[in-house]
Amino acid sequence: AQKITQTQPGMFVQEKEAVTLDCTYDTSDQSYGLFWYKQPSSGEMIFLIYQGSYDEQNATEGRYSLNFQKARKSANLVISASQLGDSAMYFCAMTLEYGNKLVFGAGTILRVKS
Amino acid sequence: DADVTQTPRNRITKTGKRIMLECSQTKGHDRMYWYRQDPGLGLRLIYYSFDVKDINKGEISDGYSVSRQAQAKFSLSLESAIPNQTALYFCATSPGTGPRPQHFGDGTRLSIL
Repeated sequence: AQKITQTQPGMFVQEKEAVTLDCTYDTSDQSYGLFWYKQPSSGEMIFLIYQGSYDEQNATEGRYSLNFQKARKSANLVISASQLGDSAMYFCAMTLEYGNKLVFGAGTILRVKS
Repeated sequence: DADVTQTPRNRITKTGKRIMLECSQTKGHDRMYWYRQDPGLGLRLIYYSFDVKDINKGEISDGYSVSRQAQAKFSLSLESAIPNQTALYFCATSPGTGPRPQHFGDGTRLSIL
């Protein structure tokens, strides 16, 4: 069975600094996808970044990058140059090649301080 | 316009009422999903559909039903609403092949009194 673990219930970061949100996963499948979503206080789920299990390079999308370490089964999100608008809940999630759902972690609340 | 549109955005209703939440998408995706989120928790899958003729139960389907009226439309019904179905409901879509990202609507906040 798939499982996602986010061990940081909450994080603080100073504006303009970088922050890393941790995510570890567990699956016996070889083909899977890893995702990060942002949920601001308004409630919507915003897709940020995707990493396929066979991708050799770490995914990047603007200020977001995914530090993918397959042997360690970790998929940490790095946000560079934090902004006040980055304050939100962040979820790590995964799905399998033939899977039918996203499995979510418990989330990490990020607060950016000015 | 949003790619995945949910209606209504907010709904307050009474125990025992029948409620329908609607989802439409312009992304052309085959797969559609309904999730619920309870405060402080991640999302849990209610139902999913891989094409118009395909409907499957998720992990928490009891008390819910769905209808896939077209590739672009997937509705969720609560036949007789109860207070513990108060939650934030999300519709999502994804392409039909591979472990691709799911794209979410803005959610429906449902309160059952």
